[in-house]
Amino acid sequence: DIQMTQSPASLSASVGDRITITCQASQDLSNSLNWYQQKPGKAPNLLIYDGSNLEPGVPSRFSGGGSGTHFTFTISGLQPEDFATYYCQQYDDVPTFGGGTKVDIK
Amino acid sequence: EVQLLESGGKLVQPGGSLTLSCAASGFMFSSYPMSWVRQAPGKGLEWVSGISDSDITSYAESAKGRFTVSRDISKSTLYLQMNSLRAEDTAVYYCAKQFLSGDRIFDSWGQGTLVTVSS
Repeated sequence: DIQMTQSPASLSASVGDRITITCQASQDLSNSLNWYQQKPGKAPNLLIYDGSNLEPGVPSRFSGGGSGTHFTFTISGLQPEDFATYYCQQYDDVPTFGGGTKVDIK
Repeated sequence: EVQLLESGGKLVQPGGSLTLSCAASGFMFSSYPMSWVRQAPGKGLEWVSGISDSDITSYAESAKGRFTVSRDISKSTLYLQMNSLRAEDTAVYYCAKQFLSGDRIFDSWGQGTLVTVSS
């Protein structure tokens, strides 16, 4: 299986901050990489697909980039509702997820 | 509006069996591939199994030989039959709708159903 290394595992930030999460794949994914948001007790929610495509209805402060083995996820201007856990997921092979990044309030 | 409603999760003894259901509505169920994804308590996400629009099934290594995914088009319902359950199968199980293309991009999820394997 393709291993997804996501970092950092957690971060503390303030409202209005810009944050970036990275995901490193153990092999080339091209752009087969998605990003999800999960709040406590809730199901994950798709934000970004194919590396950089914003899912309809998702605010434009969320963005994704990268290709191959290195990917980034950025929130530009953190909002109170953005404090959550974020996961990357590859689908080039059997789907696997990164370990998650918990974003909490500084 | 897409809705996915899982049911069937409960406490089961090691070695036991359980069938989960996921009732779908708001989209043409027969046309979309579907998956099961699980999350152990306090842990990350793990894809378990999937079924294509043409009923081709696939499984994670952890599920092969023990779990069977199926669907009933007439009832718009997805199933996961789980046998030989182990403590490490304890998790919230989500059903997830995939993109029409078949790519494993999970664009809608149910609320999840908790399976606890313990004596």
